[in-house]
Amino acid sequence: EDKVVQSPLSLVVHEGDTVTLNCSYEVTNFRSLLWYKQEKKAPTFLFMLTSSGIEKKSGRLSSILDKKELFSILNITATQTGDSAIYLCAVGSGGSNYKLTFGKGTLLTVNP
Amino acid sequence: EAGVAQSPRYKIIEKRQSVAFWCNPISGHATLYWYQQILGQGPKLLIQFQNNGVVDDSQLPKDRFSAERLKGVDSTLKIQPAKLEDSAVYLCASSRNPGGWERPYEQYFGPGTRLTVT
Repeated sequence: EDKVVQSPLSLVVHEGDTVTLNCSYEVTNFRSLLWYKQEKKAPTFLFMLTSSGIEKKSGRLSSILDKKELFSILNITATQTGDSAIYLCAVGSGGSNYKLTFGKGTLLTVNP
Repeated sequence: EAGVAQSPRYKIIEKRQSVAFWCNPISGHATLYWYQQILGQGPKLLIQFQNNGVVDDSQLPKDRFSAERLKGVDSTLKIQPAKLEDSAVYLCASSRNPGGWERPYEQYFGPGTRLTVT
C-alpha cells in the first residue's frame, strides 16, 4: 500500500522565521510529488516535482525532491501570517491509473 | 479559466438519509476525481474517471457510495444511506489527463462540500 508521511504534523513559528516541512514516501511506480496549500477551503497547487535535485521556487517558497532517499522538503523563508495553513504532500503513482496519495498534512501557524 | 465547481457547499443530514454532490470540472479536463477528507487527514481518493469511464474505484465503499460521469463532463457522487463516519469534506478535482507515461499533470481542486451526518 502506498504511504506518504509528513512531519511535523504541526508547527508554530513567528513572522520572519524560516520553516522546513518534510515529506517521505513509499510508493510503487513513483511518477511525481506535489505540494498543496490548504486554508479553509480546497487545496491549492504549489509545486510538482518529478526529478531529483532540481529546486523549484516560487517567491519565498521552494521545494526539492530526493528520489534516492524518497523524500521532499518544502521551505518557506521570511514567513508571514498569510502562510498559516495546512501544507499537503501528495505522491503520484501508477501508469494509466495515475493517482495521488496524500499525507496527513502539516499545520503551520505563523504568529505576528 | 474557471475553476472546478461543486455544489452544495454545505450539507447536514441525518444518518440513513441519502445525499448527492455535484461537480463540474475545468473545461477540457478529461480526468475527474472524488476525494473524501476527514478532519485531520489528507484527502483520500474515492473514485477516478477518465472521460466517462471509471479508472479506479478501489477505495469507494460501493455498498453505499456511487458516482457517475455520464457525458464525460460533470459528475455526481451519492451516498445512500449515510453513516455518521461519512461526515467529511468531499472534494472534486480535475486534471487534463492522468499523465500516461508522458508527464503527470497537476490536479486542481474545487471548494468542496462539507457533509455533516447527525
